[in-house]
Amino acid sequence: SQTIHQWPATLVQPVGSPLSLECTVEGTSNPNLYWYRQAAGRGLQLLFYSVGIGQISSEVPQNLSASRPQDRQFILSSKKLLLSDSGFYLCASNPGVPNSPLHFGNGTRLTVT
Amino acid sequence: AQSVSQHNHHVILSEAASLELGCNYSYGGTVNLFWYVQYPGQHLQLLLKYFSGDPLVKGIKGFEAEFIKSKFSFNLRKPSVQWSDTAEYFCAVNARNAGNMLTFGGGTRLMVKP
Repeated sequence: SQTIHQWPATLVQPVGSPLSLECTVEGTSNPNLYWYRQAAGRGLQLLFYSVGIGQISSEVPQNLSASRPQDRQFILSSKKLLLSDSGFYLCASNPGVPNSPLHFGNGTRLTVT
Repeated sequence: AQSVSQHNHHVILSEAASLELGCNYSYGGTVNLFWYVQYPGQHLQLLLKYFSGDPLVKGIKGFEAEFIKSKFSFNLRKPSVQWSDTAEYFCAVNARNAGNMLTFGGGTRLMVKP
């Protein structure tokens, strides 16, 4: 079964600083990868997804970007954080076959001060 | 575009009470439906899913959900909750022609009092 590693678990960053959150997946090859954000009082919002190396689709316009430099590595970045970027970020993965459920990492809680 | 609504944001129950969490979606086509659960301090995990066939699906830990197509609903139920069911529950929908993209509801935070 697949395992998803996310780090760091918590992060406090000042406004205007850069961000890099990393996610790696074990136990599967050529997965679909996703970044979700869970803001306080809201549900999970899909930010980015990737079906392969170098292939990134953005679901919402924002201050963030994503990259997939390797098959099982997915990075969420920002050049300058905003206060509104605070939230709980979840990396998820599923095999590239129809109807396969998502597996989630443990998440990163980001607080922008 | 599809959307998912979970009308109960917070639910507080006593142990042994029955549970029903509402989930409605808006999408006119064929969908796959999911319930995910996030226990305190843990990651999200799949509780149950519906793809086709019997609209009443059984999941782990005694949970079940019923797909009612005419009502665009997929409510989660459990006859008798336990303190260990305290968690946040997310309903999710995947339109069949949207690959593996999931749309999540806002979540329902369930607290079960011992």
